[in-house]
Amino acid sequence: NAGVTQTPKFQVLKTGQSMTLQCAQDMNHNSMYWYRQDPGMGLRLIYYSASEGTTDKGEVPNGYNVSRLNKREFSLRLESAAPSQTSVYFCASTQSSYNSPLHFGNGTRLTVT
Amino acid sequence: SQKIEQNSEALNIQEGKTATLTCNYTNYSPAYLQWYRQDPGRGPVFLLLIRENEKEKRKERLKVTFDTTLKQSLFHITASQPADSATYLCALLNTGTASKLTFGTGTRLQVTL
Repeated sequence: NAGVTQTPKFQVLKTGQSMTLQCAQDMNHNSMYWYRQDPGMGLRLIYYSASEGTTDKGEVPNGYNVSRLNKREFSLRLESAAPSQTSVYFCASTQSSYNSPLHFGNGTRLTVT
Repeated sequence: SQKIEQNSEALNIQEGKTATLTCNYTNYSPAYLQWYRQDPGRGPVFLLLIRENEKEKRKERLKVTFDTTLKQSLFHITASQPADSATYLCALLNTGTASKLTFGTGTRLQVTL
């Protein structure tokens, strides 16, 4: 089982460029999440999708959009990248949104210059 | 404001000793609390979950306690091994906020021979 797969692993963007981070899970999980991790800040929730067809904002949604393409895939889009979006991005999934652990991908390291 | 605090300083212990990591929270009413392990360059991996009505949970060499009066969880690793060296994150789900798991900043554990 691959679990949660994120692509790409690394990306460098110039300010103002756009890109989409891809995430797919093969565990038939209902809920999916995007977090960013910055030194000293911990993991912060950007957006989540409690079930296919729904998405909601997390703690730091500004500058991002998401698409729950189907049950397996949840993408994160940066329309106009800014240096403040330099971070490591993690996708996670879980069977239900309550009382079950998250399964994480290995992250995308994004640098915006 | 709501805070989840973990010791930002690394914890250095000798092999064979018990490591104890602390997670304190403020202005949360957690339905449950989870602990994760994160290795460099990898996503967090779930270890243990403890519910608000549970005092203690064990899994092999791991033990978690949860004191809702002190607003604190302790994470213990007995008979520590160098392979236990990693960053350990606590995360909690606030009652009534399904889907939004909030993470602490993590504590790095270094186990030496």
